[in-house]
Order: sequence, then C-alpha cells, then structure tokens
Amino acid sequence: GDSVTQMEGPVTLSEEAFLTINCTYTATGYPSLFWYVQYPGEGLQLLLKATKADDKGSNKGFEATYRKETTSFHLEKGSVQVSDSAVYFCALRGGGYNKLIFGAGTRLAVHP
Amino acid sequence: NAGVTQTPKFRVLKTGQSMTLLCAQDMNHEYMYWYRQDPGMGLRLIHYSVGEGTTAKGEVPDGYNVSRLKKQNFLLGLESAAPSQTSVYFCASSMIRDSRTDTQYFGPGTRLTVL
Repeated sequence: GDSVTQMEGPVTLSEEAFLTINCTYTATGYPSLFWYVQYPGEGLQLLLKATKADDKGSNKGFEATYRKETTSFHLEKGSVQVSDSAVYFCALRGGGYNKLIFGAGTRLAVHP
Repeated sequence: NAGVTQTPKFRVLKTGQSMTLLCAQDMNHEYMYWYRQDPGMGLRLIHYSVGEGTTAKGEVPDGYNVSRLKKQNFLLGLESAAPSQTSVYFCASSMIRDSRTDTQYFGPGTRLTVL
C-alpha cells in the first residue's frame, strides 16, 4: 500500500541555519504531496503542496520539489527562525482516494 | 469563520466508559474526517464522511462509531473506551473529493486519556 517515510527527529538547529527534512514515498499512480505543520498545542496546517512531478511548492520561505524519479519531497528552508519550531508532517493523497497518508512527523527545534 | 472546532479539548475516561467527540465546521465542506495521532505514527484515519448522512471506515475504525446527521457536524463515539484509545484526536474537513489540490483543514484536537 501507499506509505510515507520521514527522517526521524528531533532536528535541532540554531537560528538562521539551513533546514532539510527528508521525505520519501511509495505510491501507485501519481499522488499529490503535502507538507503539514503542527505548532505546539494546535492542529495541523497546510504548509505547501505539489500535485505533479517537478512541481515546487513554497510558502513562508519553505520549499519542496516533487521528484518522481527519486520518489521524494524533501522540505527545505534557507534560514530557520525560532518561530519555525514545530512538528512537520509529509503526506500524500493518492488518485481516487479521499484520504491523506501521513509520515510519522519530524520535530524541529530552533534555538536562538 | 471559526473553521473547524472540536469539543472537548481534553477528557479523561475510565475503561468501559463511553463518550462522544464533536466536530463542527462552518466552511460548508462536504468531506469530514476523524484521525488519531499517536507518538511516532503520524495521523491515522479512523472514519470519514463524504456528505450528510454518509460515513465510511478508514484505516483504524475498530472501537469507534461516527454519525453525520448535519453537514456541519461529524461525531465520533467510543462505546466502551479502552486504554489503547488514549490518543489525540483530530477532525478535518475538505471541500472537494477528487481535486488533486484538495486541502484538508484541521481542528485543534482533543486529547483523550483512558485509564
């Protein structure tokens, strides 16, 4: 079945450091790919998405490119801030299905 | 717009007790979902609904029941709670079923502890 694998956390960075959170997926067909973010004590919010190969999703300085050849959707940010501390979830939505399949989540902690 | 709201925010139950979690959305969304979030496992779909009066099983439906009597509300019931149901429960809603750009909007969650 379809699945999403994320790098294990926690990821601890200093402010202004470069961030990469790896995400790979297994799916039939051509899934849409998403990154959701969960700030402490809150529900999940959509951060960015991509619906076809080579699409780049971007929002709030975060980017991720849909790489079909490597089945990956890695999240990157050039300069993280303390306010980016949260749990990040990679997810896919397969064709014909109306549910999201989530990775286990990666906790990011950014220190001043 | 309040978006997606969940009631209650916290609850502690004893094994065997029952309860109902309420999810409400004011975005006129057709689809609604219940997920549970457990450490190291991401979110898993419990049940979902494609419209008023309809429900369907998700990935982990055992021990839960749902109802969608009104379009804006989606109820999750536990008839006889078990410690394995200790989790954080999230409700979500979305507008369109088949759109590849469909976004799910999440509520703030309910933290349930079963002793």
